[in-house]
Amino acid sequence: QVQLVEAGGGVVQPGRSLRLSCVVSGFTLSSYGMHWVRQAPGKGLEWVAVISYDGSNKYYADSVKGRFSISRDNSKNTVDLQMNLLRPEDTAVYYCARDLWEEGAHPLLFDYWGQGTLITVSS
Amino acid sequence: AIQMTQSPSSLSVSVGDRVTITCRASQGIRNDLGWYQQKPGKAPKLLIYAASSLQSGVPSRFSGSGSGTYFTLTISSLQPEDFATYYCLQDYNYPETFGQGTKVEIK
Repeated sequence: QVQLVEAGGGVVQPGRSLRLSCVVSGFTLSSYGMHWVRQAPGKGLEWVAVISYDGSNKYYADSVKGRFSISRDNSKNTVDLQMNLLRPEDTAVYYCARDLWEEGAHPLLFDYWGQGTLITVSS
Repeated sequence: AIQMTQSPSSLSVSVGDRVTITCRASQGIRNDLGWYQQKPGKAPKLLIYAASSLQSGVPSRFSGSGSGTYFTLTISSLQPEDFATYYCLQDYNYPETFGQGTKVEIK
């Protein structure tokens, strides 16, 4: 069965960096674009970033552009989110999610999600 | 960025009620819209894609309609497991944007 598991969350000081990983199983990662979506405590959902199935295209929300970077390693079945210059407003549960369609043309919705990992940015 | 405006932000309903949630886009997005359901402490679940297509495994009491700038999610007869928060999401262009959510509560 399809599974996505995020790791790397925790407490970090403002201005510091953190790297999240999403380990997937149950499907061929190289055939799917992958997203990161976040949710601040008690708030709504915010799309963060996407990487195309072949890694050739990456897009970011304006709120993280220039600070966050998405990457993938299909051989390790992982998708990472490198987060630099973290701010208190980046505090959220971060989810990775899979494109709805295999080798689809973006933008796309997402179907499978991980359980999320909490990032707290605080001094 | 395209703004997605959902209404209402919350509603109190009873089991068996018909529920309609609306989502308006700040510009035309064809039918590039999905609906998600989220329960507390859980990841969202895709209900509807392409504005009106039912995702596999989703009960037929859920339906979606609309195109352009106006969209609706309808639950024909609310069941106890449907009390949750619902979000629309446009996948017309980047950045993809969610509505602010509609919380469906028990009356």
